[in-house]
Amino acid sequence: EAGVVQSPRYKIIEKKQPVAFWCNPISGHNTLYWYRQNLGQGPELLIRYENEEAVDDSQLPKDRFSAERLKGVDSTLKIQPAELGDSAVYLCASSPGTGSFSYEQYFGPGTRLTVT
Amino acid sequence: AQSVTQLGSHVSVSEGALVLLRCNYSSSVPPYLFWYVQYPNQGLQLLLKYTSAATLVKGINGFEAEFKKSETSFHLTKPSAHMSDAAEYFCAVSGPYGGATNKLIFGTGTLLAVQP
Repeated sequence: EAGVVQSPRYKIIEKKQPVAFWCNPISGHNTLYWYRQNLGQGPELLIRYENEEAVDDSQLPKDRFSAERLKGVDSTLKIQPAELGDSAVYLCASSPGTGSFSYEQYFGPGTRLTVT
Repeated sequence: AQSVTQLGSHVSVSEGALVLLRCNYSSSVPPYLFWYVQYPNQGLQLLLKYTSAATLVKGINGFEAEFKKSETSFHLTKPSAHMSDAAEYFCAVSGPYGGATNKLIFGTGTLLAVQP
């Protein structure tokens, strides 16, 4: 079974430029998460989708961040414009979304963003 | 509100020695607790989870953790460290309910070094 796929793995951009990250969850997983992991910290949730619906985006900086999951499968996270403080690893995770197994989140390898 | 505290950002052990990584939690609802491992440049992998069944939980790679409600702890142990255990370990807490409490709150991580 293929795991969570993310691309690109690394991205270096100048501040004020836009950037987008893509995630394809495990097949059949209804719930998709985007996390940001700053250096030396644990991941922090940015947004959670149940199918196409964003059910928790309270931690997403909506002035510059946006996300979509149009068909309830893969998802894109965008930053426009990027700031120096956005340098971090952006992790995507998915879970089956039902019953106790919904708490098992499977993580992708992440995208390491460096803003210069 | 929920939170976890990982005592010791860096732990170093000798190969073959006991591994003990500490995690204390705070939760206003019965918690679900998790340990994840992150190898360099990779995403997080679930080691084990506590979801209100047996208090001693066995995971992959010989790790186990014990839920102690009286001490609000969920420490991770392994009897004999192996070089391949060198990685960063994250403790996380979640609520047992669906909806908004189905959110993983991570600790800041403990970097485990294994000396030959």
